[in-house]
Amino acid sequence: DQQVKQNSPSLSVQEGRISILNCDYTNSMFDYFLWYKKYPAEGPTFLISISSIKDKNEDGRFTVFLNKSAKHLSLHIVPSQPGDSAVYFCAASPNPHTTGNQFYFGTGTSLTVIP
Amino acid sequence: DAGVIQSPRHEVTEMGQEVTLRCKPISGHDYLFWYRQTMMRGLELLIYFNNNVPIDDSGMPEDRFSAKMPNASFSTLKIQPSEPRDSAVYFCASSLRNEAFFGQGTRLTVV
Repeated sequence: DQQVKQNSPSLSVQEGRISILNCDYTNSMFDYFLWYKKYPAEGPTFLISISSIKDKNEDGRFTVFLNKSAKHLSLHIVPSQPGDSAVYFCAASPNPHTTGNQFYFGTGTSLTVIP
Repeated sequence: DAGVIQSPRHEVTEMGQEVTLRCKPISGHDYLFWYRQTMMRGLELLIYFNNNVPIDDSGMPEDRFSAKMPNASFSTLKIQPSEPRDSAVYFCASSLRNEAFFGQGTRLTVV
């Protein structure tokens, strides 16, 4: 059963506008959340993360929001650039101090930023 | 460090053959993961190791799949016998704390 879900397989955004990628999870034990970016023929690379004690984390053009009560997180990219075109994976991890360090990934959202 | 290294990058094999995928994690990382990427399930966790010991293999789809980590610098994922539905990209990742670093993946095609 998919514990991390990305319900939008694809998203197209005009350059300069905001991209919003969404992710839902089902396991309340998840304590740490990450976003990965993947280009074709490459492995996923870490983008940004957030701990469950926060509701927002910002890194340049990238901001991740966490709504624990809704078990929902989102990644905002503003302004979007053509180089942001990639597949974005949401991932979640239980508290590494209690249950180990496994990461569960969603199905990915393919973002296309149109110049 | 060169990052996580996987080999081969591409593998084409006939149904019924044994396939072995290899992974060299980042030195010093104590967790190693094997993932399979498919359109339907995204990045699916197959198995992971902590300090060379398998911790959770519940994601391994069938007994045809097996994984080993004989030492801290090497792991294998074996499929025997392989089937066309095993065709996918297989990723190895290693981790020390709260971030997994991925290799470039092995694209497996079983014909």
